[in-house]
Formats: sequence, C-alpha cells, structure tokens
Amino acid sequence: DAKTTQPTSMDCAEGRAANLPCNHSTISGNEYVYWYRQIHSQGPQYIIHGLKNNETNEMASLIITEDRKSSTLILPHATLRDTAVYYCIGEYSGGSNYKLTFGKGTLLTVNP
Amino acid sequence: DTGVSQDPRHKITKRGQNVTFRCDPISEHNRLYWYRQTLGQGPEFLTYFQNEAQLEKSRLLSDRFSAERPKGSFSTLEIQRTEQGDSAMYLCASSLGGAYNEQFFGPGTRLTVL
Repeated sequence: DAKTTQPTSMDCAEGRAANLPCNHSTISGNEYVYWYRQIHSQGPQYIIHGLKNNETNEMASLIITEDRKSSTLILPHATLRDTAVYYCIGEYSGGSNYKLTFGKGTLLTVNP
Repeated sequence: DTGVSQDPRHKITKRGQNVTFRCDPISEHNRLYWYRQTLGQGPEFLTYFQNEAQLEKSRLLSDRFSAERPKGSFSTLEIQRTEQGDSAMYLCASSLGGAYNEQFFGPGTRLTVL
C-alpha cells in the first residue's frame, strides 16, 4: 500500500474550485489512486480513481502527475454540501486485493 | 443512500456484554468488508468476505470478534465481552469485485461501551 500525505485541513469559498493535493511518492506502477470522501456521520463515499491518466466524472476531476508521485482532486464548483473529509488512497487493485487503507484525510470546509 | 444498510445505527452497551451488528450489502455484490473508525481517524480494515468465504482478518480483529456471512448475503459482526476500547463506528461496505475497488459504504453502527 502506498503511503499518502495530505494536508490536515483546507478552506474553499462556495462556487470556487477546490483543489485537494495528495503526495504518494512511494506508489508502485500497479497501484491506483482512489479518492473517497466522508461527510459527517455518514460512511465514506467513492469519488474517483485513476492509474496514470487524468480522469473526470460527474463529481470531480483527478490530475495525476507524470511521475505519479502526487495527484490533485478538483471539485470544480464547490458547494456547502462538499464539506467533508477527503481521503486519498494508493492501493493495488485486482487479484486478491480488496481492502482500502485510509489515512486521516483532509477536512475540506466550504464557506458561504 | 448507497444501498448498503446496517442495523442498528446506534448501540449502547455495558462493558462485558456481547453485541451483534448486521450488514445488508447491495444484492449483486460478492465482496463485503468491515471497517472500524474511531474519532478523528480514517476507517481501519477489519475483515473481508468474498461470497461466504472470509478471506482475511486484520490483526485488529481480536478473538473476541467474529464475523460471518452465511450464504454470501448479509453479514454479522459479533463482539464478545465488550471493552471500552471497542467504542467506535463500525462500517460495512460491499463491492462487485473485479479490477476496480469501488466500495459502497453503509451508514455505520456507532457502538458506545460504558
């Protein structure tokens, strides 16, 4: 499992883009980068994942550096409901792998 | 609502009592996971089932803990002789398996041991 490093907390203004960084310098070639978020008192929610290429879905965009040592999750137009703890996880997928190894994540606070 | 349900949502018990939690995964998901989360920490993996087979247990899962998934459907997590240190949120997740590990989490069961 790749060790990930995230800032403890970040603030963002409502309607602006939220850019959440993650360092995963030890990630191996077959490990994906996953992002989950956890809104207070709820279970974690999958956001997006990627291997090498940048990815976009209806929730967010994931930008992975060419050397794969870091990534950025982008919420293009943050709303108050995006206030949550965001977890960046480096994890091998496939074969017999199954578990997610969560760190402490980044608490994103979206302010009105 | 992710489609994963857990029951009960809250449980308060006295030290030394046994407790059992239930998780109902998304019906077509063959993988089921249990995690534990304490205040200020991310979820920690406890155990994993593929269908009815329990394929791994974390060292966090002491011999007071037991999990089952009969017939590969719902799962139960039992804690015997609860201790105050067992107080936590217990989360269940399920997934289809395959190459991508998108797990769908339930709302959790919050256990308080007095």
